Amino acid sequence: SQQGEEDPQALSIQEGENATMNCSYKTSINNLQWYRQNSGRGLVHLILIRSNEREKHSGRLRVTLDTSKKSSSLLITASRAADSASYFCATAIPKSRRALTFGSGTRLQVQP
Amino acid sequence: SQTIHQWPATLVQPVGSPLSLECTVEGTSNPNLYWYRQAAGRGLQLLFYSVGIGQISSEVPQNLSASRPQDRQFILSSKKLLLSDSGFYLCAWSVRRGALPSSYNEQFFGPGTRLTVL
Repeated sequence: SQQGEEDPQALSIQEGENATMNCSYKTSINNLQWYRQNSGRGLVHLILIRSNEREKHSGRLRVTLDTSKKSSSLLITASRAADSASYFCATAIPKSRRALTFGSGTRLQVQP
Repeated sequence: SQTIHQWPATLVQPVGSPLSLECTVEGTSNPNLYWYRQAAGRGLQLLFYSVGIGQISSEVPQNLSASRPQDRQFILSSKKLLLSDSGFYLCAWSVRRGALPSSYNEQFFGPGTRLTVL
């Protein structure tokens, strides 16, 4: 079974609005990553947050991590049409040389 | 800079036919290599990973196999495809232990191969 589960499954917003996506996971982690996937393409790493961090920023991205609730959120501020994509959280599979398990993703559509 | 290639980009194969998908990485040495499969509208499922030439670990029992004949080459194969093998196959690499901590956990993905089994 998948480690992470994102919600919502799909999100449609207007340009300039903020987009928030949530992720829950099941086991203890050392870090959690967020990836982006444009339709029919490979995944691109966005940001990593370590288990001892509560919040991290990268440009218009803000990630939070609550290890007590086993949850993380990704906030994209001032969204643009080019942000339209699927977003996945991922955590490492134990004893698998950092192979990842992914949630089912949130499909974000930003309307111009 | 490092790049990762996958081919073919798309493939349509009949049930029972063999499969060979290839992935190569450039610009790095001794990478960890991974094969993932993505069903439509879903996240990625790890299929295989490799830490070196000839070293393959399988995460899910299935109709597929993997091989690593060279350091930067990873091949996904099947002798007889099933309908359930349809999906989007992604190859990825990550740096080995000892590399920069900031990039230690990040995975770099290829463009993927979309396989349709009819």
